[in-house]
Amino acid sequence: DAGVIQSPRHEVTEMGQEVTLRCKPISGHDYLFWYRQTMMRGLELLIYFNNNVPIDDSGMPEDRFSAKMPNASFSTLKIQPSEPRDSAVYFCASSLTQGDTEAFFGQGTRLTVV
Amino acid sequence: QKEVEQNSGPLSVPEGAIASLNCTYSDRGSQSFFWYRQYSGKSPELIMFIYSNGDKEDGRFTAQLNKASQYVSLLIRDSQPSDSATYLCAVKKVGGTSYGKLTFGQGTILTVHP
Repeated sequence: DAGVIQSPRHEVTEMGQEVTLRCKPISGHDYLFWYRQTMMRGLELLIYFNNNVPIDDSGMPEDRFSAKMPNASFSTLKIQPSEPRDSAVYFCASSLTQGDTEAFFGQGTRLTVV
Repeated sequence: QKEVEQNSGPLSVPEGAIASLNCTYSDRGSQSFFWYRQYSGKSPELIMFIYSNGDKEDGRFTAQLNKASQYVSLLIRDSQPSDSATYLCAVKKVGGTSYGKLTFGQGTILTVHP
């Protein structure tokens, strides 16, 4: 398996624009996580899905952020409108249900909002 | 109170010494615990997991769990410069309504100097 695949790897956009981040989890994994990492706040859980259903979105910072998982092999995180404070590295990760199984991370998307 | 707390460091140890990394968590519910390592500019990668009280050893790494004190630690013996990285503690809920939720601490920066 190619692992968790995220796109794009880098994104530079202007304030106010819509940004869409994409993630393909490892085949067969039933959990998918979206995280945001900054120096100040560390690795924050934004939202996670189980079997394509959002379970906990309490980490989504505000209504400008939305996430979808239309099928088991694809998820998106959308920011509309984007703001400079959204600049961060966004990671997608996937895992199996079992409690002792690890989450595998994608390479991340480095987002810069200018 | 944060769900998972770590001393952000930086922690500096000489080559060959033991590095001790600590983590506390707030939720007493059923959990599994993970230690990840993240090199600068890279994604987090699993070092080891633990879910029973006591010690678990894997090569130069030992994880320790004390559920009564809500405390997890990672010891790195014979530290090498290649161990220099950010170490992330993660807690996974394996019961209740947020089953599967994987929350990370802020991470501890470790530097091993020759």
